[in-house]
Amino acid sequence: LAKTTQPISMDSYEGQEVNITCSHNNIATNDYITWYQQFPSQGPRFIIQGYKTKVTNEVASLFIPADRKSSTLSLPRVSLSDTAVYYCLVGATASGGSYIPTFGRGTSLIVHP
Amino acid sequence: DAGVTQSPTHLIKTRGQQVTLRCSPISGHKSVSWYQQVLGQGPQFIFQYYEKEERGRGNFPDRFSARQFPNYSSELNVNALLLGDSALYLCASSLGRGDTFGSGTRLTVV
Repeated sequence: LAKTTQPISMDSYEGQEVNITCSHNNIATNDYITWYQQFPSQGPRFIIQGYKTKVTNEVASLFIPADRKSSTLSLPRVSLSDTAVYYCLVGATASGGSYIPTFGRGTSLIVHP
Repeated sequence: DAGVTQSPTHLIKTRGQQVTLRCSPISGHKSVSWYQQVLGQGPQFIFQYYEKEERGRGNFPDRFSARQFPNYSSELNVNALLLGDSALYLCASSLGRGDTFGSGTRLTVV
């Protein structure tokens, strides 16, 4: 099973760009990389998903190097409401073969005024 | 549009009892996954069902079982509850590109 490693916590300030890196050294060929955001007492919320290179949506960018052994979530211009736990998840998508997603312990991001 | 709905929201059970948790996926989603989240840790994958067939199983004992119905709703059953089963149980549904999670069922075993 692909195991992920993330920093336990990060601090930032409003308006700054935040980059959170996740290591997944034994990622499988058909595994996708997905990032989630979780607030207390809520289920995780999907942020972005990618397989290789770079993916961008309206809230974040995901950078994946060629060896796919790590990935970096980039949050542009964070605000106080971005204070949450961010999880990197590695696993095959639902429609493709065996599905055993593995969450890490997450990165607790605190955004200061 | 309704999101992923789970019931009940909170539950208190006694050691040794059995519990059934329910999940209704987003309309059109054929995949349902179950996760256990202990306080301070990331969600741990329990089961995934796709088109009513088990597609994946995490490292949980046989006391945990699940099934998916023809309308794609799902139930998670846990037998012989232990104190360590106390956790937030999350259900998620997917079309195949990222899961949409419900708010979970908080299970407390006393």
